Amino acid sequence: EAAVTQSPRSKVAVTGGKVTLSCHQTNNHDYMYWYRQDTGHGLRLIHYSYVADSTEKGDIPDGYKASRPSQENFSLILELASLSQTAVYFCASSERYEQYFGPGTRLTVL
Amino acid sequence: GDQVEQSPSALSLHEGTGSALRCNFTTTMRAVQWFQQNSRGSLINLFYLASGTKENGRLKSTFNSKESYSTLHIRDAQLEDSGTYFCAAEGNSNNRIFFGDGTQLVVKP
Repeated sequence: EAAVTQSPRSKVAVTGGKVTLSCHQTNNHDYMYWYRQDTGHGLRLIHYSYVADSTEKGDIPDGYKASRPSQENFSLILELASLSQTAVYFCASSERYEQYFGPGTRLTVL
Repeated sequence: GDQVEQSPSALSLHEGTGSALRCNFTTTMRAVQWFQQNSRGSLINLFYLASGTKENGRLKSTFNSKESYSTLHIRDAQLEDSGTYFCAAEGNSNNRIFFGDGTQLVVKP
């Protein structure tokens, strides 16, 4: 049974619109992460959280907000989606460092 | 990424053969994790090492923190091994994790 789930699995958004990506984990992990992957590249860290109600900026936080309302849930919010945010987004959880990934969300901004 | 140099960027193997993938680190890392990204795009955990060597079936990984590198050996390659392999390393002085750009592996009949 999948321990890290993401929704939606794919989404098409319009430029300037608001997008919310959701992540849920049943690993009982304190740490959660949001990454983006562009075609042919590795993963880059957007935001992460090590406790509920607190988030931290990763390497590429501009244009993104994050929300951690509970230990299990971590959302990524694009207030004004842009073409450059077309990518696959992965959520992950970890107890300390070993990360477990969700299946990814393919976001296309038109 | 800048802290993790992964090689080769692409690799083609015939079924039954083997090879090694490598990650070099430009700074001291605490541990390394290896993933396979399959054709569906899912990231599958292969290994997590804080030191030494681990083996699982046809895969073996080594992490040498002092010499700042890690390797992933694949032997007797099968078609289902095709995909992109990533290493991700933990910085020794912080909680950050740095990904390599991946090795795209194609296994041919």
